Amino acid sequence: DAKTTQPPSMDCAEGRAANLPCNHSTISGNEYVYWYRQIHSQGPQYIIHGLKNNETNEMASLIITEDRKSSTLILPHATLRDTAVYYCIVRGSGSARQLTFGSGTQLTVLP
Amino acid sequence: NAGVMQNPRHLVRRRGQEARLRCSPMKGHSHVYWYRQLPEEGLKFMVYLQKENIIDESGMPKERFSAEFPKEGPSILRIQQVVRGDSAAYFCASSPPRGETGELFFGEGSRLTVL
Repeated sequence: DAKTTQPPSMDCAEGRAANLPCNHSTISGNEYVYWYRQIHSQGPQYIIHGLKNNETNEMASLIITEDRKSSTLILPHATLRDTAVYYCIVRGSGSARQLTFGSGTQLTVLP
Repeated sequence: NAGVMQNPRHLVRRRGQEARLRCSPMKGHSHVYWYRQLPEEGLKFMVYLQKENIIDESGMPKERFSAEFPKEGPSILRIQQVVRGDSAAYFCASSPPRGETGELFFGEGSRLTVL
């Protein structure tokens, strides 16, 4: 699975959009980009995933660049409850189904 | 549809005792994953199981740790002769048998404290 690089921490004002970047320059054609988050001491929570196209769900939007070497998770209207560690994970299809978590980005939403 | 259930949520053991952590996957899920999170550290994969089979145990410590997922009942992560360094949060996740979307559903974790 391709390695990902994320900033260790970011701040965002409450009510504003939070844009969390992720670099995955060695991603291959069959690898998906996943985003999870872990609110303090809780179990990780799936947010969104994508392959090539941009994706949107009720939680967030995922923007993947055309060359697929980077992506951005967008929380459109961040709230204090969105304060968490956000993990960007790249994983291919196949027999290895577990996800490998890196160190992620600590997002702090400020009042 | 109940989520992934882990118990106990908190477990205290003295050095040398055994710890057993249980995980009931979501209904219809036949794949279980165990992760460990040491204090102030990230999530580390331990083991991936299907019913009655260990698929990948590359993250399991070589000694004292074992996992099973029997045909009936929850998955069990067993730690024998616990040491202080085993103090951590242990998270279980499950996924359905089909599909390659990679979405894992996590439980709230079991927090082991070794005195």
